[in-house]
Amino acid sequence: GQNIDQPTEMTATEGAIVQINCTYQTSGFNGLFWYQQHAGEAPTFLSYNVLDGLEEKGRFSSFLSRSKGYSYLLLKELQMKDSASYLCAVRDSNYQLIWGAGTKLIIKP
Amino acid sequence: IAGITQAPTSQILAAGRRMTLRCTQDMRHNAMYWYRQDLGLGLRLIHYSNTAGTTGKGEVPDGYSVSRANTDDFPLTLASAVPSQTSVYFCASSAGGPTGELFFGEGSRLTVL
Repeated sequence: GQNIDQPTEMTATEGAIVQINCTYQTSGFNGLFWYQQHAGEAPTFLSYNVLDGLEEKGRFSSFLSRSKGYSYLLLKELQMKDSASYLCAVRDSNYQLIWGAGTKLIIKP
Repeated sequence: IAGITQAPTSQILAAGRRMTLRCTQDMRHNAMYWYRQDLGLGLRLIHYSNTAGTTGKGEVPDGYSVSRANTDDFPLTLASAVPSQTSVYFCASSAGGPTGELFFGEGSRLTVL
């Protein structure tokens, strides 16, 4: 079966750095996505990786290793507004998205 | 800029009733999707449409139907609601292309009693 694993919840301090991991086992691979979802709101697109390596976008970076079936989302200089759930999703060989259950990130002052 | 509009935002429904969740987008995206989101589970695809006039079944299609008469509208119908269909429903669209990122509506919270 296809599976996406990410931690259920993480806590970090304002101003710090946090890394949210995602491991996947899917039928084929056509890209990995990270979405941010604030409580009670819709998911919004953060990043896309299809090749190995690090993609940086401001305070957020996303890393991919296809051989290890692994990705992480790195958030720097954490702000209170970064408190949200972070969803990892992989597009499989049929171009269907397989979603993880999400990681709830709690930022403390 | 509206993006994707869903209605209703929230609804309480008696079991056995018929319900249609509406979804309209103004981005002229070809692909549209309906997901449900339940606590502790990832988003699960119910139905999708790659272009107007075509639809397909996702991971959890039973009890739901969709239509795609035009590019903008993609309604989801529960023919006879059951309590297990209590969930938050998200409509999404995609322009395709290299990333094919999804744009989501604000969600419809449905409670079936």
